[in-house]
Amino acid sequence: KQEVTQIPAALSVPEGENLVLNCSFTDSAIYNLQWFRQDPGKGLTSLLLIQSSQREQTSGRLNASLDKSSGRSTLYIAASQPGDSATYLCAVPTSGTYKYIFGTGTRLKVLA
Amino acid sequence: SAVISQKPSRDICQRGTSLTIQCQVDSQVTMMFWYRQQPGQSLTLIATANQGSEATYESGFVIDKFPISRPNLTFSTLTVSNMSPEDSSIYLCSVDEHSNTEAFFGQGTRLTVV
Repeated sequence: KQEVTQIPAALSVPEGENLVLNCSFTDSAIYNLQWFRQDPGKGLTSLLLIQSSQREQTSGRLNASLDKSSGRSTLYIAASQPGDSATYLCAVPTSGTYKYIFGTGTRLKVLA
Repeated sequence: SAVISQKPSRDICQRGTSLTIQCQVDSQVTMMFWYRQQPGQSLTLIATANQGSEATYESGFVIDKFPISRPNLTFSTLTVSNMSPEDSSIYLCSVDEHSNTEAFFGQGTRLTVV
């Protein structure tokens, strides 16, 4: 059974810092891995999708890497801003299906 | 990417009543899903909404409590029946445009049961 874990659970940093969020999964037979952002009480916004054949994806100040063999992904945020404050979730599809299993999230607060 | 409209965005309901949540997509999609996010928790899949047939429910979720409709490839509803305070959550609709590629989510329905 796929399990997804995110570390740290919460993170508070001063503006301008570069930071890394971690995601680990137990079943490496995944098609892809997706990172989302969730603002309080809101839905999810897709940030980056990494296909199983890729090692990383970049969008602006965000870079996500994927190491299937070790069951890990990282989300790197460069030059953090207060507007980056949100909960970040990673998710992987259950093996052989299109149903996503979500991590518990990392609550990020960037201080001005 | 698919644009998903979810209604209502929030509601406060009396226990014992039912609420129907609508999910409208701006394009035809193969897969539609309903998730629940309880306070302080991550997302849990409720069911897969199947077009033209009964939804497929995950362990712990039943059709009598969460009836789902999907009359076509762009629309689905989730009903939360006979509500109790434990049903207070954010309910989210999700679609996968091309099957197992990128998942997109609606803005969610924040339900409070009093």
